[in-house]
Amino acid sequence: NAGVTQTPKFRVLKTGQSMTLLCAQDMNHEYMYWYRQDPGMGLRLIHYSVGEGTTAKGEVPDGYNVSRLKKQNFLLGLESAAPSQTSVYFCASSHRTEAFFGQGTRLTVV
Amino acid sequence: KQEVTQIPAALSVPEGENLVLNCSFTDSAIYNLQWFRQDPGKGLTSLLLIQSSQREQTSGRLNASLDKSSGRSTLYIAASQPGDSATYLCALRDNYGQNFVFGPGTRLSVLP
Repeated sequence: NAGVTQTPKFRVLKTGQSMTLLCAQDMNHEYMYWYRQDPGMGLRLIHYSVGEGTTAKGEVPDGYNVSRLKKQNFLLGLESAAPSQTSVYFCASSHRTEAFFGQGTRLTVV
Repeated sequence: KQEVTQIPAALSVPEGENLVLNCSFTDSAIYNLQWFRQDPGKGLTSLLLIQSSQREQTSGRLNASLDKSSGRSTLYIAASQPGDSATYLCALRDNYGQNFVFGPGTRLSVLP
């Protein structure tokens, strides 16, 4: 029972580089989310999706793009990484009830 | 805009004590409320989910209550153990049932 799996778990990027974070869930959930967690700022919603092929902006979407081509996968892209994007990124999925979270991706941009 | 606060920000108690963590919110139009636990460097683990029509939920030594009219939820932990040491977060789902708003968390330390 994998639940929500995030890839990779750790990454160091240079400023200006791009990367994609992958979130996969095996619970057939409609909703998927990307959050970032920073000290003193709590969890903030970046983008979310309410179903395959749909995406929407959250609280802090600038500098990120997302895609939900398959129901089980939600990708978060950084086109040109900046030091301000150093953070821990969490993916979550749910129906209209309980949410389940992945273990996080620790990203450092130098 | 929904705002969620958690008091206290940090709490240290001796093993065996019963304790209460508080979560307050400004908009009572919520779909549900969920309590999570987060260990250092780890993801969030769901503890309890309370639907908006419910007053409380229990799981083992944990009991969560919800009072929408006063904008409050409490998480009661009975007979605390060192293994309960973690950060506890509450999250509210809006009435559209889509997004969550998180509180800042309470960092709990249970001393042996």
